[in-house]
Amino acid sequence: GDSVTQMEGPVTLSEEAFLTINCTYTATGYPSLFWYVQYPGEGLQLLLKATKADDKGSNKGFEATYRKETTSFHLEKGSVQVSDSAVYFCALSESTGGFKTIFGAGTRLFVKA
Amino acid sequence: DTAVSQTPKYLVTQMGNDKSIKCEQNLGHDTMYWYKQDSKKFLKIMFSYNNKELIINETVPNRFSPKSPDKAHLNLHINSLELGDSAVYFCASSLPGLQETQYFGPGTRLLVL
Repeated sequence: GDSVTQMEGPVTLSEEAFLTINCTYTATGYPSLFWYVQYPGEGLQLLLKATKADDKGSNKGFEATYRKETTSFHLEKGSVQVSDSAVYFCALSESTGGFKTIFGAGTRLFVKA
Repeated sequence: DTAVSQTPKYLVTQMGNDKSIKCEQNLGHDTMYWYKQDSKKFLKIMFSYNNKELIINETVPNRFSPKSPDKAHLNLHINSLELGDSAVYFCASSLPGLQETQYFGPGTRLLVL
């Protein structure tokens, strides 16, 4: 079945460092791809998404490009802030058996001042 | 102006008890979901409803029974609680479709003693 694999955390960075969180997927069709973020004690919220190959999603300085050839959707940010500390989830949406979103295991990011 | 709300926020109970978690969304969405997040932050879908009709029912024990009295509400009833049910349960809603963003509630932290 469809699946999402993302890099294990935790990832610890200093403020203003460059961030990459790798995400690869397996899908039989043409899924939509998402990054969600979960701040401590809260529910998930959408960070960005891309719905077809070569689309780039971006928000709050984060970006990710839907790469069909490498089945990847890596999250990047040029300069992280302490407030970016959270858990990041890569996800895909597929339509077999109803619309279902499959989440990766999550990557915890700590940003030090 | 809470978009997706859940009650209660915390639930501590004894093994064997029956409990319910309520979810309401005011976004006008047709589709609602229940997810379970374990202690390692892994997020797994349990149920999905579209317009009050069950469309996704993952391999969840029969002790879990969702009920959707109307499009804006999706409640989760759990019978005979077990230690392994301890987790954070998230409700979410979306418009139907692969590209649609899911909006999550704040979560219900269930602890079974």
